[in-house]
Amino acid sequence: GAGVSQSPRYKVAKRGQDVALRCDPISGHVSLFWYQQALGQGPEFLTYFQNEAQLDKSGLPSDRFFAERPEGSVSTLKIQRTQQEDSAVYLCASSLDGRVGEQYFGPGTRLTVT
Amino acid sequence: AQSVTQLGSHVSVSEGALVLLRCNYSSSVPPYLFWYVQYPNQGLQLLLKYTSAATLVKGINGFEAEFKKSETSFHLTKPSAHMSDAAEYFCAVSPRGTGNQFYFGTGTSLTVIP
Repeated sequence: GAGVSQSPRYKVAKRGQDVALRCDPISGHVSLFWYQQALGQGPEFLTYFQNEAQLDKSGLPSDRFFAERPEGSVSTLKIQRTQQEDSAVYLCASSLDGRVGEQYFGPGTRLTVT
Repeated sequence: AQSVTQLGSHVSVSEGALVLLRCNYSSSVPPYLFWYVQYPNQGLQLLLKYTSAATLVKGINGFEAEFKKSETSFHLTKPSAHMSDAAEYFCAVSPRGTGNQFYFGTGTSLTVIP
């Protein structure tokens, strides 16, 4: 069956450019999460959606980061005016029921800001 | 605040030997607990989870973990290491009733020596 997919898998951006990262969750999954994983570190929570509602965005590091899920399925993480410290793997995960506590992860998008 | 500590960023074991990866959490209320495995250039894959039933949890690929409330630990074990077990392992906690937000440890890289 189809899992969580993310695109692009790799993105190189020049400092100052805007980027958009896409996540296609498992069909029917209510909850969607974005994480940032720096090299050699564990994933760190960025934001969480339940259907189209963004219920928690406390992990977004700055106002340059913006996420949306307008129809409750596909989500886009946008980073404006990228900085070198934004270089990381961005992971998306989805969950059938946010209360159960099990998330299925996509392969991630590796962002390199030069 | 939640935190997860994984003791040992790198662990090496011989093929066929016991695997023990350590995880401790800090929380006044036992959270949901998870172990994920990450192979190079892939997303995280769930190994096992503890949500409130039996304290000894069995997962995929022969792994198991025991929840010990008195020690606030959730160590991952496998009786006999296989070469294919070489990967990065992450312990994660999800506080109950918070919308499924995960907090990850910094990971343990497992090397299996032939």
